[in-house]
Amino acid sequence: DAKTTQPPSMDCAEGRAANLPCNHSTISGNEYVYWYRQIHSQGPQYIIHGLKNNETNEMASLIITEDRKSSTLILPHATLRDTAVYYCIVRVPSGYSTLTFGKGTMLLVSP
Amino acid sequence: GAVVSQHPSWVICKSGTSVKIECRSLDFQATTMFWYRQFPKQSLMLMATSNEGSKATYEQGVEKDKFLINHASLTLSTLTVTSAHPEDSSFYICSAPSSGRSPNQVAFFGQGTRLTVV
Repeated sequence: DAKTTQPPSMDCAEGRAANLPCNHSTISGNEYVYWYRQIHSQGPQYIIHGLKNNETNEMASLIITEDRKSSTLILPHATLRDTAVYYCIVRVPSGYSTLTFGKGTMLLVSP
Repeated sequence: GAVVSQHPSWVICKSGTSVKIECRSLDFQATTMFWYRQFPKQSLMLMATSNEGSKATYEQGVEKDKFLINHASLTLSTLTVTSAHPEDSSFYICSAPSSGRSPNQVAFFGQGTRLTVV
């Protein structure tokens, strides 16, 4: 799986948009970008994934650059409950292969 | 999304005893499940892949005789930590791929089990 680089931590004010960047310059043509988050003392939670088009669901939006070397996860209106470690993972889409977790970004949402 | 449930959420056991952790896929079948371990302030590390109807495959450095995995049915995998020691204290998390076809098949995780060995 391609390696990803994320900032170790970010802050965001409650109600504002949180934009979490991820660099994946060695991504292969058949690899997707996945985002998960882990709230303290819980298992990871799936957020969103995409190949090259921008994606949006009820939790977040995923913006992937045209060259696919980086992406941004957007939480449009962050709440205190969005405080978590966010992981960006690139891999071939197969549920039967494992996820390799890096260190992620610790997002702290403050009042 | 799909629901994966782990039990118990936390357990305290004495050194030398065994502890069983259950992982269930509640609304889908999973022929494969994954077990991860997470130490404080570290990321998740894959321990083993649980396969329904066959032996589990373990990552390098994980003792298969210590961490027994049984994938008894299409909705249940168990991890038994045998002869637990304080260094086995950790957060154990299971994962299962949802039903559906790639690329829409994603991995869902249980809520984790906090094991403390005293």
